Amino acid sequence: DAKTTQPPSMDCAEGRAANLPCNHSTISGNEYVYWYRQIHSQGPQYIIHGLKNNETNEMASLIITEDRKSSTLILPHATLRDTAVYYCIVRVKGSGNTGKLIFGQGTTLQVKP
Amino acid sequence: GAVVSQHPSRVICKSGTSVKIECRSLDFQATTMFWYRQFPKKSLMLMATSNEGSKATYEQGVEKDKFLINHASLTLSTLTVTSAHPEDSSFYICSARDLFAGSSYNEQFFGPGTRLTVL
Repeated sequence: DAKTTQPPSMDCAEGRAANLPCNHSTISGNEYVYWYRQIHSQGPQYIIHGLKNNETNEMASLIITEDRKSSTLILPHATLRDTAVYYCIVRVKGSGNTGKLIFGQGTTLQVKP
Repeated sequence: GAVVSQHPSRVICKSGTSVKIECRSLDFQATTMFWYRQFPKKSLMLMATSNEGSKATYEQGVEKDKFLINHASLTLSTLTVTSAHPEDSSFYICSARDLFAGSSYNEQFFGPGTRLTVL
């Protein structure tokens, strides 16, 4: 079972920042927080991941609380092409059968003009 | 980022026939590949984990004789849906894990998916 909780849907105005929350109160010390997104009828796309420090890349920023029980994905300037289902997943990094990506229901982000 | 391909992207078949879906990691080696299925408006459900050169590990409730998985090389895994029925119609997505990705990098990448329709 997924170990994260996300709001089912959110709206965001084009050009504004989109802040997507995720609760993972049972996260273990060796589990990373991963974010993927899925645009309609495509495979999931990796966005970002982190362990305990905040992370930033060309797509987004990831803010993880100090107790690691929740995190926020930030898309700084949302565009219409960012409309997708966003999945927050916690997992260990591992090989073989460890560290499987188990998807929850995700957040459907609708970016509006 | 690394590229994972799937073939075919769409397939329509008659009930009772078998369908094979290929998943390839194009620019990296993948000792582990994963197969998911996704029904409309639902999330991805993990079906099985396949390790190169060994038998796949199936998730609870997934019939291993129905969904045959072969992972014969570090860049290719196949999923065969045997004796397909209309209820097997779904979006099948594979994912491959990069063997040599460093700890700071993402190591798991997804294919574009295969839409299976069984008539």
